[in-house]
Amino acid sequence: DAGVIQSPRHEVTEMGQEVTLRCKPISGHDYLFWYRQTMMRGLELLIYFNNNVPIDDSGMPEDRFSAKMPNASFSTLKIQPSEPRDSAVYFCASSLPGGYTEAFFGQGTRLTVV
Amino acid sequence: AQKITQTQPGMFVQEKEAVTLDCTYDTSDPSYGLFWYKQPSSGEMIFLIYQGSYDQQNATEGRYSLNFQKARKSANLVISASQLGDSAMYFCAMREGRRDDKIIFGKGTRLHILP
Repeated sequence: DAGVIQSPRHEVTEMGQEVTLRCKPISGHDYLFWYRQTMMRGLELLIYFNNNVPIDDSGMPEDRFSAKMPNASFSTLKIQPSEPRDSAVYFCASSLPGGYTEAFFGQGTRLTVV
Repeated sequence: AQKITQTQPGMFVQEKEAVTLDCTYDTSDPSYGLFWYKQPSSGEMIFLIYQGSYDQQNATEGRYSLNFQKARKSANLVISASQLGDSAMYFCAMREGRRDDKIIFGKGTRLHILP
């Protein structure tokens, strides 16, 4: 398996524009997580899905952020409108179920909003 | 609510010495897993080692071992014979087994190995 695949790897956009980050989890993994990493706040869990259903979106910072998982092999994280403070590295990760299974991470998307 | 605490923002260690990175956690779920990840300067997240709450023995993976003290709710990572390539950010994480399957991370410890 190719692992978790995220696209794009880098995104530079202007404030106010819509940004869509994409993720393809590992085949067979039931769980998908979206994290945001910044120097100030570390790795924050934004939202996670189980079998394509959002389970907990309490980490989504504002209504400008939304995430979908239309099928088991694809998820998107959308920011509309984007702001400079959204600049961060966004990671997608997937895992099998259970408290004893680790998450496998994608390479991340470095987002810069100017 | 589950919580992970890493109290060492940064550490400097001489090459070939052993390193202990601290991690404490809090959960009311008796079933959980603890994980350590390494993030080198290139940015990827690399899974290192895992410990289950019911495991009787401390986990080991090559030069990595996990010093699991359940009563103290600590899960420290020990790296033996450190190498220059161990310089990275290290994250402790926890996943509860019953009530909530989310994985949360500590703030991380930046480890610098000195030649």
